[in-house]
Parts: sequence; structure tokens; C-alpha cells
Amino acid sequence: DGGITQSPKYLFRKEGQNVTLSCEQNLNHDAMYWYRQDPGQGLRLIYYSQIVNDFQKGDIAEGYSVSREKKESFPLTVTSAQKNPTAFYLCASSTGQRIGEAFFGQGTRLTVV
Amino acid sequence: AQSVTQLGSHVSVSEGALVLLRCNYSSSVPPYLFWYVQYPNQGLQLLLKYTSAATLVKGINGFEAEFKKSETSFHLTKPSAHMSDAAEYFCAVTLSGGYNKLIFGAGTRLAVHP
Repeated sequence: DGGITQSPKYLFRKEGQNVTLSCEQNLNHDAMYWYRQDPGQGLRLIYYSQIVNDFQKGDIAEGYSVSREKKESFPLTVTSAQKNPTAFYLCASSTGQRIGEAFFGQGTRLTVV
Repeated sequence: AQSVTQLGSHVSVSEGALVLLRCNYSSSVPPYLFWYVQYPNQGLQLLLKYTSAATLVKGINGFEAEFKKSETSFHLTKPSAHMSDAAEYFCAVTLSGGYNKLIFGAGTRLAVHP
């Protein structure tokens, strides 16, 4: 079945450490996105990529980095520069033919300990 | 710039009652509008979308929404709530054309009680 896989589902990180969240899709979608979700704030866009080897900052990119070396993969690194990284992270993908119809992964809950 | 405002962070209804979740948008050009649903600790699932065709849009699980340009609204309704409808609902907006990013509202948590 086609879909988006995020791993791990739960992640614990010590302060000062970088951590990478995985996102893989087999939907053959060109565009991929990373959102951060905090209670009462909805989803905020971190980074997005419309094509391999290209990506753009979203509204809250500081302290995060991404790469898009393959169409299927869009990993997100939460760096030590991110001051408040504890959150629920959602990866999504979409095609240009079905505007706005984003398919979401199950999310990764990151907790800094 | 586009934005979405969802009125009411929490809505509680009785099973069998009407569900009404409110969404107002701001956009300088005709928008595309969406409702997504999120169950606990899961990703989001598309409920329905408005893309400039019919103003009354029907979605999954008996939900529907009406685009009202004069009121800049896109409220979500369901005639009769089920216990399984308890979830968080997000309204989102984007511009037409290409891979434009979705802008989400803050969400409304729906509780359904017996």
C-alpha cells in the first residue's frame, strides 16, 4: 500500500544533541513538507521541498535542517540550536495535480529530556 | 497573505446532535479550502476540499462544508454526531496553482458525549 512512513514514533533526546527524524513516501509525490504541532497552535510549516535537491524554509525553520537527495525521502534534523524542540512532528507529501491534498504520516513525538 | 481562523478551540456536542465547526479565511485571491481530521497521536486525514467548483462540498463520514464568499467562511457540519467523530479538526487554506503550502488554523477539538 502506498503511504508515508515516519520513524520513530517516539524519540527522546538529551539537550544539546542533534536528532534526525525520518520520512519516506512511496506515493511518487513531488512535494514533501515538515510541520510542527504544538497544543493550541495548529500546524506550523518548518520546511518544504517541491523537487529533489531543492527545499525552502517555512515559517519556523530556525534550528532545523533538511535534505532532499531522493524523491522518496525528506529527513528532518532537529539541531541543538532549536530552543524548544519538544513537539509532535508531521511529515506530508502532495502532488501538483491535486492541490492542497496533503497525505500525512503518523507523526513523531520528540521529547527533550 | 492567507490566514485561517477557527472559532472555538473546543466544541462539545451530544451524540445525535448537529456538529458545527467554524472556519473563516482571509485571502487576497480565490482560495482553495480544506478540512482535515486528526485522531489522537495520528497524522491528519483529508475530510473534504473546496476548489472553486460546487460551493457545498460533501466529504467522508457524513461531513459537509459550504463555501460562502460573502462571509469568507467555510464551516464544517454534520447532521448527527457519532462517538467516533471525537477528534481534532483543522481548517486549511492554500492558493490555486502548483505546490502551494497549506496554511492551517489552530484546530478545534470536538468532544461527543452520550
